[in-house]
Amino acid sequence: TQLLEQSPQFLSIQEGENLTVYCNSSSVFSSLQWYRQEPGEGPVLLVTVVTGGEVKKLKRLTFQFGDARKDSSLHITAAQPGDTGLYLCAAPNSGGYQKVTFGTGTKLQVIP
Amino acid sequence: GAVVSQHPSWVICKSGTSVKIECRSLDFQATTMFWYRQFPKQSLMLMATSNEGSKATYEQGVEKDKFLINHASLTLSTLTVTSAHPEDSSFYICSARSFRGHPFSTDTQYFGPGTRLTVL
Repeated sequence: TQLLEQSPQFLSIQEGENLTVYCNSSSVFSSLQWYRQEPGEGPVLLVTVVTGGEVKKLKRLTFQFGDARKDSSLHITAAQPGDTGLYLCAAPNSGGYQKVTFGTGTKLQVIP
Repeated sequence: GAVVSQHPSWVICKSGTSVKIECRSLDFQATTMFWYRQFPKQSLMLMATSNEGSKATYEQGVEKDKFLINHASLTLSTLTVTSAHPEDSSFYICSARSFRGHPFSTDTQYFGPGTRLTVL
């Protein structure tokens, strides 16, 4: 069973600060996704990265896929209270049926 | 964009009763739907994969007789929690993917808003 470990687990920062969330595994993935989930709601897809070394930007969010496609990072610049939520990385499961394995999650709180 | 709905959004039931949760893809056909369970402050854990017209595939450790899944049509999958107990209280989320392509290409898993189940 492949594992996706995220760090940190919890992060509480002041508005305007920068932060980075990491998603690591010993497995190689064909692609990786990042989601954000707010309390009481389902996850919302932020980005999909498919190429080793790929960098994608979504406004103040920068996503990077590791060269070896085993890890990924999410960097948020000048965090806003609206960025508060649970951030989840996810990758295709090698077990077939197009299943997805989710990372352990990073709970982010941005304090105004 | 693709929309997935879940009904009910929350349910409270007594121990021993059964609860049915519906997952619908509103504007696309979904041959495959997934059911997840999420405990507070934790990540999503896949429970089962539901394929239209066939039996669901359950993850290791998930009791198929406890969590009955029916994918009766290309737009509807249901999860029935039978003889619910307090430990079944959780947030249940479904997702649906459209017919063609691999995951994470032009097709994506679209998540429902979740159903909060509380068993008293």
